[in-house]
Amino acid sequence: GAGVSQSPSNKVTEKGKDVELRCDPISGHTALYWYRQSLGQGLEFLIYFQGNSAPDKSGLPSDRFSAERTGGSVSTLTIQRTQQEDSAVYLCASSLAGRSEAFFGQGTRLTVV
Amino acid sequence: GNSVTQMEGPVTLSEEAFLTINCTYTATGYPSLFWYVQYPGEGLQLLLKATKADDKGSNKGFEATYRKETTSFHLEKGSVQVSDSAVYFCALSEGFNAGNNRKLIWGLGTSLAVNP
Repeated sequence: GAGVSQSPSNKVTEKGKDVELRCDPISGHTALYWYRQSLGQGLEFLIYFQGNSAPDKSGLPSDRFSAERTGGSVSTLTIQRTQQEDSAVYLCASSLAGRSEAFFGQGTRLTVV
Repeated sequence: GNSVTQMEGPVTLSEEAFLTINCTYTATGYPSLFWYVQYPGEGLQLLLKATKADDKGSNKGFEATYRKETTSFHLEKGSVQVSDSAVYFCALSEGFNAGNNRKLIWGLGTSLAVNP
């Protein structure tokens, strides 16, 4: 596709449920990032993929958060047993190898009620 | 650790006014610096970047100069338009151990509203 695609665009879930967020990066971009944007906060780094491996998971806030990437393309961010503090916009970005310029999707707005 | 501080908004200007959004950073080494923009209802877009000291990034009439001596990367535009209304984010790149890609450290964003 032409840009980074994320789905769903909006997700409302009940506290305690698991959710999966999907990111489809730009074709050929080997680097993929997940960020979180909470109300009144800056963007918070969650995890970085190079190909299918994740050399930096340092931003994942707890073991309820996990992510995987398959085929060097699509990535899924999973949040287990969601809490209200998980409510945020989850952003995915991709970039070419060795480049800092990242291209962002429009995000998934997650609301935990 | 590395950090980015940018001026709080919202900033409200009249069309054709001069814009400055301040951004300062704390970093070890020599990060690259970025301004991203988020227009209403759209995703984040790279506006401009600078990769070394004294570099000037420019795009769409916006400019920012990488000032190592003052650790700043202030965004400026000489004459803003209504279409510039958006949220502007300052960011710096931080190195990884593996590969050459770098995650970004972000400021909190500054909302700009330009009135006709």
